[in-house]
Amino acid sequence: AQSVTQPDIHITVSEGASLELRCNYSYGATPYLFWYVQSPGQGLQLLLKYFSGDTLVQGIKGFEAEFKRSQSSFNLRKPSVHWSDAAEYFCAVGAGEYGNKLVFGAGTILRVKS
Amino acid sequence: GAGVSQSPSNKVTEKGKDVELRCDPISGHTALYWYRQSLGQGLEFLIYFQGNSAPDKSGLPSDRFSAERTGGSVSTLTIQRTQQEDSAVYLCASSFRRGGWETQYFGPGTRLLVL
Repeated sequence: AQSVTQPDIHITVSEGASLELRCNYSYGATPYLFWYVQSPGQGLQLLLKYFSGDTLVQGIKGFEAEFKRSQSSFNLRKPSVHWSDAAEYFCAVGAGEYGNKLVFGAGTILRVKS
Repeated sequence: GAGVSQSPSNKVTEKGKDVELRCDPISGHTALYWYRQSLGQGLEFLIYFQGNSAPDKSGLPSDRFSAERTGGSVSTLTIQRTQQEDSAVYLCASSFRRGGWETQYFGPGTRLLVL
């Protein structure tokens, strides 16, 4: 069965510093991969997704992620973090016959120091 | 345009009572999903509907959970004889079609507390 591992429960970075959130997945074929962000009391918002093509994908809010098949990873990056980026970030893989049943990682809580 | 809406925002109930949670998907979206977010289990898939096809109920944790989607639009998730372990945030999402590449748009969730 598909699974997603986000090894970091909490990450703290200084405002303006770069960010990398790690995500490893378990899946046999080319997966559908997603990063979502959840601010306190809010629903999930899609940052970016990958399902084919260029392995470096650009998303909203200046985020990007790189699909690395050899490492089964889909890490999220941002070159310069803003205080408004403080939130919880979830990596997900699409499961099931149509790849539409999302399997989420446990999430990484990002704290931004001013 | 309007996003996915859910009601109520919060629900407090007593153990053993039945609850109904409502989801209004984005207009024109044929696929509708329910997920649950809890401290112990994280985010987990419950059920999805695609058009007039039979729903995929593979994620429902017990037969106390059921859902329906009327007229291909609004959906109701029903939990019968609620238990304390049902306390969670229930999230609804919709997408244009059910393909894995489709973006799922999430609602704000219903926070359920079972006393």
